Amino acid sequence: GAGVSQTPSNKVTEKGKYVELRCDPISGHTALYWYRQSLGQGPEFLIYFQGTGAADDSGLPNDRFFAVRPEGSVSTLKIQRTERGDSAVYLCASSLQGASTYNEQFFGPGTRLTVL
Amino acid sequence: LAKTTQPISMDSYEGQEVNITCSHNNIATNDYITWYQQFPSQGPRFIIQGYKTKVTNEVASLFIPADRKSSTLSLPRVSLSDTAVYYCLVGSNNAGNMLTFGGGTRLMVKP
Repeated sequence: GAGVSQTPSNKVTEKGKYVELRCDPISGHTALYWYRQSLGQGPEFLIYFQGTGAADDSGLPNDRFFAVRPEGSVSTLKIQRTERGDSAVYLCASSLQGASTYNEQFFGPGTRLTVL
Repeated sequence: LAKTTQPISMDSYEGQEVNITCSHNNIATNDYITWYQQFPSQGPRFIIQGYKTKVTNEVASLFIPADRKSSTLSLPRVSLSDTAVYYCLVGSNNAGNMLTFGGGTRLMVKP
């Protein structure tokens, strides 16, 4: 079956530009997460959606970052006025809440964002 | 959230058993111990989870002592394809619980 997909796989942009990163979760998964991974480090939590609403956005670093999930499926992470420090791999994960004894998250391959 | 400490890197050879130990001294009563594996250019992948004693699946075994302040991931007879970063995570299984990753252990399997 199809896993979590993310587009684009790579994105190169210039400092100050706006970017959108897309995540298609596994069909039927109600929970969706965004993480950011810098080189040599583990993923860092950004935001969590349960359905259409952002249940926890405590990981967003500042107000340049915003994410939406309007229909409870696809999600878009939006970064305004990009900075070189935003360069990282952005990972999306989804999970099926309440279906098992553990909250296994299924990750996509990530979008590698490079800000020049 | 309980903090985890694990080796930065480990080397092994094909066919050997690899044991990666993780320390989590401040683990809470309702916390589970979960291990994820990450290959280059891929997202992390769930390997195994346990609460106490021993858990085994087709990929690995997880050993958790009675005090639960540490855990050991055991990979039997590793192959070159097991070269990856292995993350130990500790947290509850409440709905919506985000995963808190540390730096992980970079395992290099050599021929």
